[in-house]
Amino acid sequence: DIVMTQSPLSLPVTPGEPASISCRSSQSLLYSNGYNSLDWYLQKPGLSPQLLIYFGSNRAAGVPDRFSGTGSGTDFTLKISRVEAEDVGVYYCMQALQTPLTFGGGTKVEIK
Amino acid sequence: EVQLLESGGGLVQPGGSLRLSCAASGFTFSRYAMSWVRQAPGKGLEWVSGITGSGGSTYYTDSVKGRLTISRDNSKNTLYLQMDSLRAEDTAVYYCVKETDVVLVPATPGMDVWGKGTTVTVSS
Repeated sequence: DIVMTQSPLSLPVTPGEPASISCRSSQSLLYSNGYNSLDWYLQKPGLSPQLLIYFGSNRAAGVPDRFSGTGSGTDFTLKISRVEAEDVGVYYCMQALQTPLTFGGGTKVEIK
Repeated sequence: EVQLLESGGGLVQPGGSLRLSCAASGFTFSRYAMSWVRQAPGKGLEWVSGITGSGGSTYYTDSVKGRLTISRDNSKNTLYLQMDSLRAEDTAVYYCVKETDVVLVPATPGMDVWGKGTTVTVSS
């Protein structure tokens, strides 16, 4: 199984400041079509998860452009250019290259 | 509006069975793979099982193989998860999730619709 490792576990942030979350996979997620099989999800408090980023860097429909995904192969980063209060919650990366699909352990983003 | 509505959760004794259902609406159900993702109390997300749009291929995480069975009825726009030989560690909120392609892997563009979840509690 592909192991997904996120850091940090917890991220206190100041509104208006940038934030960054790291995700590493135990094997390359780069598929032969040139896409990285790496998604980012946000689970806001009390709600179901929502898709933020797919293929490592493509924003899902309706996702604000302050969210961006970078990386390739085994190392990926989710960046928030200027954190807003509504961005609090737990962020998960997930690989969709092979089954079982596997999630990272999550990064809890909270306002300082 | 695209919607997924789970039902069938509840309290069951260890070794017991439950059948979860997920009613889909607002999209052409048969064109998309579907998954079940669970979240144990206070824990992270765990993918449990997936099925292609036609239902011809199914996938499971190792811990549920032989106990949980995913299926779908495209004529009824409904996804199912038959849960047998339940264990305490199966206790979780189970989310029904829509994939963005007819297949599950590889390199599919994310899970774009999630239901609100149904709670399964396995306890004596």
